[in-house]
Amino acid sequence: NAGVTQTPKFRVLKTGQSMTLLCAQDMNHEYMYWYRQDPGMGLRLIHYSVGEGTTAKGEVPDGYNVSRLKKQNFLLGLESAAPSQTSVYFCASTHGIYEQFFGPGTRLTVL
Amino acid sequence: SQKIEQNSEALNIQEGKTATLTCNYTNYSPAYLQWYRQDPGRGPVFLLLIRENEKEKRKERLKVTFDTTLKQSLFHITASQPADSATYLCALENNAGNMLTFGGGTRLMVKP
Repeated sequence: NAGVTQTPKFRVLKTGQSMTLLCAQDMNHEYMYWYRQDPGMGLRLIHYSVGEGTTAKGEVPDGYNVSRLKKQNFLLGLESAAPSQTSVYFCASTHGIYEQFFGPGTRLTVL
Repeated sequence: SQKIEQNSEALNIQEGKTATLTCNYTNYSPAYLQWYRQDPGRGPVFLLLIRENEKEKRKERLKVTFDTTLKQSLFHITASQPADSATYLCALENNAGNMLTFGGGTRLMVKP
């Protein structure tokens, strides 16, 4: 039982490049979330999903897109990376609106 | 707008003492509040959940209180240990009830 896994762990991009972050969970959770964490800002919700095939915007969705084609996977895409998107990205999942299980994070640097 | 405040300054205490962390919020009417622990370079880990009709909840050396009148939660660690050193985050469900909003966290340093 791996819990929540994230791929990759680290990535460096140049401005304008695109990439996809993958989150996978093996707990059969309905809800999945993408957060970013910046120093002094806490965790901020980017997008979330309440079930396979559904997505919704969070607090800071601009510049990101998501897809939930399979229940166990939640993908976060950056179409044209900007330096302001340098951050640590966390994925989380939960059965409902209770405790969330977090992945280990992806550290992204955009030059 | 909805706002959650945690003391951004680190809390330094001596081993064996009780650590008390504060979470204040405005413009929320949460049905429950959660506390998480985050170690450097890792994702947050759930610790406790307290509902609006519960004044206090305990788990081993941890105690959480929830005062919906004051709009405040206190998080206590009794008999603190250096291993308790971490950042502690509080989180509230939003008014729509479909997501959590996190505070900025308070870093706790327990000195031996």
